[in-house]
Amino acid sequence: SAVISQKPSRDICQRGTSLTIQCQVDSQVTMMFWYRQQPGQSLTLIATANQGSEATYESGFVIDKFPISRPNLTFSTLTVSNMSPEDSSIYLCSVRQGGTYNEQFFGPGTRLTVL
Amino acid sequence: SQQGEEDPQALSIQEGENATMNCSYKTSINNLQWYRQNSGRGLVHLILIRSNEREKHSGRLRVTLDTSKKSSSLLITASRAADTASYFCATASVGSGNTPLVFGKGTRLSVIA
Repeated sequence: SAVISQKPSRDICQRGTSLTIQCQVDSQVTMMFWYRQQPGQSLTLIATANQGSEATYESGFVIDKFPISRPNLTFSTLTVSNMSPEDSSIYLCSVRQGGTYNEQFFGPGTRLTVL
Repeated sequence: SQQGEEDPQALSIQEGENATMNCSYKTSINNLQWYRQNSGRGLVHLILIRSNEREKHSGRLRVTLDTSKKSSSLLITASRAADTASYFCATASVGSGNTPLVFGKGTRLSVIA
């Protein structure tokens, strides 16, 4: 299984600022995903970030608010822009190697609180 | 949007008892995966079951899949206090090889020592 790390593990931010979350994987992976988990809720997919192509965003999420970079096969960043208290959530990076029949693994998450 | 629905939403049992959680989904799937999450931390992958499989085991875990009913169950035998966590099912729908997982709402399991 892939070992995934995220930075920061948690942060408290002021309204109107931006935070960039980093995701590092210990092996090359083709598929990376970013999820959001609001307090007490399940996971919602923000976007799929495959290397060499633009991120694909799910309904309700836009690039201006959640810009994503995927410069290589082991690293990605998610920025939460112009934050509001509604953005307070856990943000999780996830990876999958190969096709749909493979396991999908998750990083430890970044707990974001916006004041 | 959520694909699956777990039930029960919350389950409380005594240590040593078995815990069964169910997951229903709506569309045809390639596979279904179960995860554990402790106290808002990252998700731990428990088991993957493919659409052409009916049952899988891993240690104290047993997962079944009934594609005709679009449902799956996770059984934890001889539960321990350390099993206290939220459990999620997630499905990969039939389609291209890049379909991401879609998560159910989860079951909160409490195992009382």
